[in-house]
Amino acid sequence: NAGVTQTPKFQVLKTGQSMTLQCAQDMNHNSMYWYRQDPGMGLRLIYYSASEGTTDKGEVPNGYNVSRLNKREFSLRLESAAPSQTSVYFCASTHLFGGVEGSPLHFGNGTRLTVT
Amino acid sequence: AQSVAQPEDQVNVAEGNPLTVKCTYSVSGNPYLFWYVQYPNRGLQFLLKYITGDNLVKGSYGFEAEFNKSQTSFHLKKPSALVSDSALYFCAVRDWMDSSYKLIFGSGTRLLVRP
Repeated sequence: NAGVTQTPKFQVLKTGQSMTLQCAQDMNHNSMYWYRQDPGMGLRLIYYSASEGTTDKGEVPNGYNVSRLNKREFSLRLESAAPSQTSVYFCASTHLFGGVEGSPLHFGNGTRLTVT
Repeated sequence: AQSVAQPEDQVNVAEGNPLTVKCTYSVSGNPYLFWYVQYPNRGLQFLLKYITGDNLVKGSYGFEAEFNKSQTSFHLKKPSALVSDSALYFCAVRDWMDSSYKLIFGSGTRLLVRP
């Protein structure tokens, strides 16, 4: 049982290049999320998908797009990378986040992106 | 909007001593609070949560957290620290925005346990 898998683990881009970060979960979770982690700022939500077929902006969506390809997969695309997007990106998922029990998020191991 | 604050960037403690990592929250309504831990080059791992009920919540790896409504705090505690507890700890609150729930994270506290 792999949980949440992110690819690639590391990436270096030049300013203006594009790339897609991939995320897949095998826990049959409904909701998926993309966060970025920067020193001293904790994790900030970029985009999320509450359920298959829906996506919504989070706290810092500018410069990013997402696709919920199916229930398992949720990708994050940088169309024209900028140095300000240098960060560690985490994908997360949860079964029924709006439920009474408050299901915890399950995180992938991250993608470390550097934009030069 | 809901928010959490972690006032300490770093906490240092000797192995065997008790540890506390602080978190305060600002929410409207009843808070759903979480603690996560992050080891180097890994994603965050869930430690424990407070939804309702007892103010002392027990979680993984011997950690516990105390919910204090009057002080709007949710401090993480462990009676006896281990070197292996050294990691980055995040407090989080569940927020309701745009008809969906999300997790809002604090800035994180680095815990260093010295032998």
